[in-house]
Amino acid sequence: QVQLQESGPGLVKPSETLSLTCAVSGYSISSGYYWGWIRQPPGKGLEWIGSIYHSGSTYYNPSLKSRVTISVDTSKNQFSLKLSSVTAADTAVYYCARDLITDSSGYYDYWGQGTLVTVSS
Amino acid sequence: EIVLTQSPGTLSLSPGERATLSCRASQSVSSSYLAWYQQKPGQAPRLLIYGASSRATGIPDRFSGSGSGTDFTLTISRLEPEDFAVYYCQQYGSSTGTFGQGTKVEIK
Repeated sequence: QVQLQESGPGLVKPSETLSLTCAVSGYSISSGYYWGWIRQPPGKGLEWIGSIYHSGSTYYNPSLKSRVTISVDTSKNQFSLKLSSVTAADTAVYYCARDLITDSSGYYDYWGQGTLVTVSS
Repeated sequence: EIVLTQSPGTLSLSPGERATLSCRASQSVSSSYLAWYQQKPGQAPRLLIYGASSRATGIPDRFSGSGSGTDFTLTISRLEPEDFAVYYCQQYGSSTGTFGQGTKVEIK
């Protein structure tokens, strides 16, 4: 059974960088698939942020691309998200998920439980 | 970017009734690359349907998806108590996947 678990600070100051890690168990990232980040502002809908392959190949949502970096550590079977220059608009529950990418973008079959990140001074 | 509009915003039904949820895309969704998710309060979304009509692993057959092009439908044939939740559609037929705003299925 594939399991994902997000971790990281729950509070980030405006203009700083949000950093989260997703630990994967029950499946080796090196075996394949893309792995992605999706966020959900409180009471609102879902927004895909970006995804990464075990080789390090990435694809990002153009609306966030200038501020996002996703990296992978296959030795620890985890991948990470960095979002720079955050504002209150970045307050959201951040989910990591397995991305079943097709020839364009992907859909998500396994999800972490999510972690709330609040941007506030 | 493809915009997905879900309707209705809220659906009030009783257990045992049939639920029909709509998802309309601002342009044609390539290869029927459309998924449906269920989300309950405090939980992550759960994949129900992909490829517009294929059920994900472990999803009961009371859930079915249909449609193509710009119009898609999720049908729950007979609502069980555990089916009351928010449902999202998502297209992945373009380079940037997008989600609809959700339909809440509530107990009448």
